[in-house]
Amino acid sequence: EAQVTQNPRYLITVTGKKLTVTCSQNMNHEYMSWYRQDPGLGLRQIYYSMNVEVTDKGDVPEGYKVSRKEKRNFPLILESPSPNQTSLYFCASSLSAGAIYEQYFGPGTRLTVT
Amino acid sequence: SQQGEEDPQALSIQEGENASMNCSYKTSINNLQWYRQNSGRGLVHLILIRSNEREKHSGRLRVTLDTSKKSSSLLITASRAADTASYFCATDAGYGGATNKLIFGTGTLLAVQP
Repeated sequence: EAQVTQNPRYLITVTGKKLTVTCSQNMNHEYMSWYRQDPGLGLRQIYYSMNVEVTDKGDVPEGYKVSRKEKRNFPLILESPSPNQTSLYFCASSLSAGAIYEQYFGPGTRLTVT
Repeated sequence: SQQGEEDPQALSIQEGENASMNCSYKTSINNLQWYRQNSGRGLVHLILIRSNEREKHSGRLRVTLDTSKKSSSLLITASRAADTASYFCATDAGYGGATNKLIFGTGTLLAVQP
């Protein structure tokens, strides 16, 4: 089954404790992206990757890191989480970059930073 | 900043009625997509309409695009309780802007009462 998986689905952590949210897709997609969703603000892009070893900042990259060492994986790293990073996070992938391509979303990771 | 803004923010209708929502965007675009999100879950692609198209249908969905007004509408006919979800439009940043990502609006929350 074609899908995007994220882990963990729920995470409660404390300020400053490094964490990684994994994302994996099995569709051989070139383009992958991370979004955060907050009430009233919609989805905002954090980082995206056009292909392996090619990543770039989205609209709200501060406090986040990503890497794309393999085509299927695109982990999101919070080196020192803060309470303002409490949010619902989505990973997405598409065949290639551009709004002509449908994006496939993972199930989401609900992160709480205390 | 948001490219697309949906209207209304929330909509409540009875089962069997039609649900209509609009998306307005700021700059010219190449493509516009609509997505559905069930509560707390990942977004699911519904339909894509290109800038040279005026109307598209998919099952009970009808999407229109008016590039002169920079707006799109999504009509769901004969609504069902299972249509209860948030609906988002997403566009690229338009000609001369970044075409390698989707920009999402803040969504319309649709509640279909049985």
